[in-house]
Amino acid sequence: AQSVTQPDIHITVSEGASLELRCNYSYGATPYLFWYVQSPGQGLQLLLKYFSGDTLVQGIKGFEAEFKRSQSSFNLRKPSVHWSDAAEYFCAVGGINTGTASKLTFGTGTRLQVTL
Amino acid sequence: KAGVTQTPRYLIKTRGQQVTLSCSPISGHRSVSWYQQTPGQGLQFLFEYFSETQRNKGNFPGRFSGRQFSNSRSEMNVSTLELGDSALYLCASSPGTSGNTIYFGEGSWLTVV
Repeated sequence: AQSVTQPDIHITVSEGASLELRCNYSYGATPYLFWYVQSPGQGLQLLLKYFSGDTLVQGIKGFEAEFKRSQSSFNLRKPSVHWSDAAEYFCAVGGINTGTASKLTFGTGTRLQVTL
Repeated sequence: KAGVTQTPRYLIKTRGQQVTLSCSPISGHRSVSWYQQTPGQGLQFLFEYFSETQRNKGNFPGRFSGRQFSNSRSEMNVSTLELGDSALYLCASSPGTSGNTIYFGEGSWLTVV
């Protein structure tokens, strides 16, 4: 069965500091990986996705993530955090086949707090 | 291009009632998926519809059902509501083929009292 682990429930960083959010996945085939962000009371906004090709993917708002197959990881990074980045971040995995691409399994989320 | 639209945004129902939530996907998208988000269980996949057919299903009881219309709009229905059905219900839209980006709506907040 597929699963996603986000080991950090809550992270606090200072504005301007770098950020890394961890994500480990378990999937029986080639995964299709996503990071989404959710502000309080809102839906999910896509930050970036990895489907194939270059293992370092760039997303919106200055975020990037690196797919490491050997470590089953897809960690999210940002070199300098802004106060507006405070939100909850979700890692998700789906299949690369058409029939499974839309069935996502999510991690439990990491809540990011940014101090000024 | 309009995003994924969900209605209603907020609703309160009584135990035992039923509820219908609606989702209009992005124009041209044929796949609509539904997710339930609760503090205890997190984000869980309910089901996916593609071209009016249920293509995938999660592990939810039969009280949860859905359908998709020829214009790709989708509805989900929950019958005999329980207190534990209180959640944010999120709809996701994509073209429905391999490698497509999946976009989410703002969700429908359901409170069961």
